[in-house]
Amino acid sequence: GIQVEQSPPDLILQEGANSTLRCNFSDSVNNLQWFHQNPWGQLINLFYIPSGTKQNGRLSATTVATERYSLLYISSSQTTDSGVYFCAVLEWLNNDMRFGAGTRLTVKP
Amino acid sequence: EPEVTQTPSHQVTQMGQEVILRCVPISNHLYFYWYRQILGQKVEFLVSFYNNEISEKSEIFDDQFSVERPDGSNFTLKIRSTKLEDSAMYFCAAGGQGFSPLHFGNGTRLTVT
Repeated sequence: GIQVEQSPPDLILQEGANSTLRCNFSDSVNNLQWFHQNPWGQLINLFYIPSGTKQNGRLSATTVATERYSLLYISSSQTTDSGVYFCAVLEWLNNDMRFGAGTRLTVKP
Repeated sequence: EPEVTQTPSHQVTQMGQEVILRCVPISNHLYFYWYRQILGQKVEFLVSFYNNEISEKSEIFDDQFSVERPDGSNFTLKIRSTKLEDSAMYFCAAGGQGFSPLHFGNGTRLTVT
């Protein structure tokens, strides 16, 4: 099955700093989504981005499908951005979604 | 209205008991999934369901697990005889075909004592 690798596994930032989270995947995908897991455990969809670039406020994401990676940018980070960020991809052949291991972000005041 | 609603939000059960976790996706979804996340770990695929049958399942999804969508709306995950290691957050997801996002429910936190 498809492999999904996220880096870095852990990231500690000072409030106001910018960061880039990376997701590499091993095969062609139909779909790629970025999620933020909140303190209650809910998976909050940030972006549906199989290719191209999208922006939503301080967050933006870029997927380069031909090179099999995606990047999530967080600018001017806030303490409420803390949590785990997951990348998940939908395999081309069987329509099943697989998650990376996540990046745990801690933003300090 | 959320795309996917899961009930209950929390469930506590004793080891050996059967549990049924419920998911109600909106009607135009075609693919349905269950995922599991043990506390502090990654989100793991359990099973996918399409056209009223299982399309793929992981090695975690053994004979203790079953899924069904009996009435075309509710999508359920049954664990026949729960074990301590079944304690986890269980997520239901639903989506269309091909290039479309998956919508996740808020999860059911299952605690087996």
